[in-house]
Amino acid sequence: EAGVAQSPRYKIIEKRQSVAFWCNPISGHATLYWYQQILGQGPKLLIQFQNNGVVDDSQLPKDRFSAERLKGVDSTLKIQPAKLEDSAVYLCASSFERTGELFFGEGSRLTVL
Amino acid sequence: GENVEQHPSTLSVQEGDSAVIKCTYSDSASNYFPWYKQELGKGPQLIIDIRSNVGEKKDQRIAVTLNKTAKHFSLHITETQPEDSAVYFCAPLGQGGKLIFGQGTELSVKP
Repeated sequence: EAGVAQSPRYKIIEKRQSVAFWCNPISGHATLYWYQQILGQGPKLLIQFQNNGVVDDSQLPKDRFSAERLKGVDSTLKIQPAKLEDSAVYLCASSFERTGELFFGEGSRLTVL
Repeated sequence: GENVEQHPSTLSVQEGDSAVIKCTYSDSASNYFPWYKQELGKGPQLIIDIRSNVGEKKDQRIAVTLNKTAKHFSLHITETQPEDSAVYFCAPLGQGGKLIFGQGTELSVKP
C-alpha cells in the first residue's frame, strides 16, 4: 500500500515569509498528525486531526501556524510569518486508530534564513 | 507535564554485540509503550511495542521489557548489524492519548 506522502521535501525561505506543507495520509486512516522535529530532538506533536476535526492543537503556535484537513483526507500546514526557530523537519503521520501505530511520511525540511 | 527521558543519548557497539536503550516516563497512567527507529532522511518507523498487561515482548533480534512499577521500559537489540545504525525513540502514550517522544538515542554499529 502507498505510504504517507509529503511535499515539498525541502524548502528554504527568509524570515517573515510564509510556507505551506502538504500531506496525503494512508488511505482509510482517520487520524492525521503533524509533528515538528528540530535537529537532534524527538518529534513534537503540533496538531492531531480525527477525520476533519481537531483533537489536539495545544502545542500549535496559533499566532503563526495553521492547519486544516479538508474532507478528512489531505492536510496542509502553514506557517506565516516564519521565524528562525521554525527551522525543522515537519513530519506528517497517520494512523488507523487514535492509539495505534503511527505511519510517518519522509518529512518536509524547512530552513528559515 | 509528562516527562520522558532516554539513556544513553549515543551508543556505539561492535557488530554482533547487544545494545540496550532505556526509557523512563512520569505518567503512571501510560499503558502503551512503542519504540520507533528513524534512519537518516526518513520518518520514524515502529519497530516494536508493548502494552501494560505484559512484561516482555520479542520479535526476532528485538525485544522490549516493561517495568511499570519503576516506570521504565527498555529496547534490547541482540546480534547487532550495521543496518541497525539509526536513531531510536521511545514514545510512551501520555495524557490525551498522544505519544510523547523521547529525545532519541543514536546507535552506531561498527563492522
